[in-house]
Amino acid sequence: KNQVEQSPQSLIILEGKNCTLQCNYTVSPFSNLRWYKQDTGRGPVSLTIMTFSENTKSNGRYTATLDADTKQSSLHITASQLSDSASYICVVSGDSNYQLIWGAGTKLIIKP
Amino acid sequence: NAGVTQTPKFRVLKTGQSMTLLCAQDMNHEYMYWYRQDPGMGLRLIHYSVGEGTTAKGEVPDGYNVSRLKKQNFLLGLESAAPSQTSVYFCASSWSLMFANTGELFFGEGSRLTVL
Repeated sequence: KNQVEQSPQSLIILEGKNCTLQCNYTVSPFSNLRWYKQDTGRGPVSLTIMTFSENTKSNGRYTATLDADTKQSSLHITASQLSDSASYICVVSGDSNYQLIWGAGTKLIIKP
Repeated sequence: NAGVTQTPKFRVLKTGQSMTLLCAQDMNHEYMYWYRQDPGMGLRLIHYSVGEGTTAKGEVPDGYNVSRLKKQNFLLGLESAAPSQTSVYFCASSWSLMFANTGELFFGEGSRLTVL
């Protein structure tokens, strides 16, 4: 069964610290992997999209990595800011049936 | 540009009532989608459209109907609301197929529906 699992479910860190969020997937065949940021009460906003051949992709202080062999991805946030408080969702695309497999997300709280 | 706009933002219904959620996008995207988001779960695709006049079922279509009479609008209808349809509904659009490598989704702000 195609699944996307994220860990941890929630995370609290101090402002200015770094953190890494994990995503494991069993989707096959694999087309691409995305990370979205969802602020409370808002819709998801795309951070990165990575294809099979990409290992790393950055968007400002956000860096996503992908290991297609082990079917794992991570999202690293550098020098966290209060505005980084949000849910971060990992999404994996197969190449059929117009289907995206969404993870349940990691809720990140940044404390001053 | 407003992007993707959903109305209403909040609605409370009684079991058996009907309603329509409206989604409008001003990015000239061909593809539009309706998702629902429930606590502790990933987003689930209800219905989608690959162009004006077309609709197709997603992962959880039962109890919902959709229409895409104009390219910029995608309507989601509940004919007879049930408590299990209490959720946050998101509309999204994209200029290419959502599973494609360039299929970035643009989401609306969401519509919170409560069915009593």
